[in-house]
Amino acid sequence: DAGVIQSPRHEVTEMGQEVTLRCKPISGHNSLFWYRQTMMRGLELLIYFNNNVPIDDSGMPEDRFSAKMPNASFSTLKIQPSEPRDSAVYFCASSLRLAGTYEQYFGPGTRLTVT
Amino acid sequence: EDKVVQSPLSLVVHEGDTVTLNCSYEVTNFRSLLWYKQEKKAPTFLFMLTSSGIEKKSGRLSSILDKKELFSILNITATQTGDSAIYLCAVAYNTDKLIFGTGTRLQVFP
Repeated sequence: DAGVIQSPRHEVTEMGQEVTLRCKPISGHNSLFWYRQTMMRGLELLIYFNNNVPIDDSGMPEDRFSAKMPNASFSTLKIQPSEPRDSAVYFCASSLRLAGTYEQYFGPGTRLTVT
Repeated sequence: EDKVVQSPLSLVVHEGDTVTLNCSYEVTNFRSLLWYKQEKKAPTFLFMLTSSGIEKKSGRLSSILDKKELFSILNITATQTGDSAIYLCAVAYNTDKLIFGTGTRLQVFP
């Protein structure tokens, strides 16, 4: 059974460029989460979707960040324009939201470097 | 403000030692506490604890939750070099959200 799939695994881009990160959740999972991890701030939730609908985007740092989930098997996180402070590892996670279950399963992450 | 605090931040031990990692929390509408292990890549799920006083165990790892004192511990006995990782504590609260602690970095030397 495939886990959460993310692409690309590494992205190096110049300041000002648009960056698009992609995620395919585990088949059958109905919740999807985007996280950012840095040494300084640890693992932070950016946005999450339930049944493809954005539920909470309060963690999105600013308008340069946007996320979509057009269907149950695909999501994107876009940064436009990118800045050096956006450099981090971005994780996508998915879960099967049932009563009493909260575990999330993480993808391998995308390491973003903005120069 | 909702928060999860882990201690120690870092721990260095020798193989065979027993370690205890701590996690305390202050959140509204607590639902569950989860432990993850993060090696070089993604965090991997270890345990979910919902009830106080019930130990969860998996091999040399065990964990328990105290909902009165708002903390959890993760014990690892007879540590091995393969246990070297960052251990993350997360709390599920309100709806589907998890709030993570900053983690404890464990290094196990031969």
